[in-house]
Amino acid sequence: AQTVTQSQPEMSVQEAETVTLSCTYDTSENNYYLFWYKQPPSRQMILVIRQEAYKQQNATENRFSVNFQKAAKSFSLKISDSQLGDTAMYFCAFMTLLAGKSTFGDGTTLTVKP
Amino acid sequence: EAEVAQSPRYKITEKSQAVAFWCDPISGHATLYWYRQILGQGPELLVQFQDESVVDDSQLPKDRFSAERLKGVDSTLKIQPAELGDSAMYLCASSLIGKRSGANVLTFGAGSRLTVL
Repeated sequence: AQTVTQSQPEMSVQEAETVTLSCTYDTSENNYYLFWYKQPPSRQMILVIRQEAYKQQNATENRFSVNFQKAAKSFSLKISDSQLGDTAMYFCAFMTLLAGKSTFGDGTTLTVKP
Repeated sequence: EAEVAQSPRYKITEKSQAVAFWCDPISGHATLYWYRQILGQGPELLVQFQDESVVDDSQLPKDRFSAERLKGVDSTLKIQPAELGDSAMYLCASSLIGKRSGANVLTFGAGSRLTVL
């Protein structure tokens, strides 16, 4: 079984600054995917970024990047140049490679302040 | 852009009543997931389908919940009888699993918010 832990229930950041959200996970699998999903208030969950565990290079999507430390089972999300529209709940998630079984953390509520 | 469709968006019911939620995944997505999300928490997997077969329903309270995906396309999640603790958002997601481009990413619907009185 997989577990995903997000130790920061709430965070805030000033507009245009950088913030890092933490995530740790536990698994016995060697090949899997890790994700960050964003759920804005009263809106649906959307993908922010995905990382394949077999790739050493950290994934990047515009202002969003991850720090993937496989040995430490750590997967943090860095948001650069934070914007008001980044205000949302962010979920770290794990998916097994073959069966597509998914596990989510309990989320971090991020507030971007003007 | 293709979407996962869910209905109803909102449902208010009294305890002991039956309730059903419907999900239509993105065309071609063989894998379909139902999650329950309590306010302020992460989604909890209830059931995962691969085509019409159940892959994982270990967290589905089978005494009152049932799910089906008869033709391997759309799916229905039913609760009978509903209890106060079932109040939550019910999310449907779909995915391709495999090595094709765009695979292994969950696409979520807007959810069905259930309130049990």
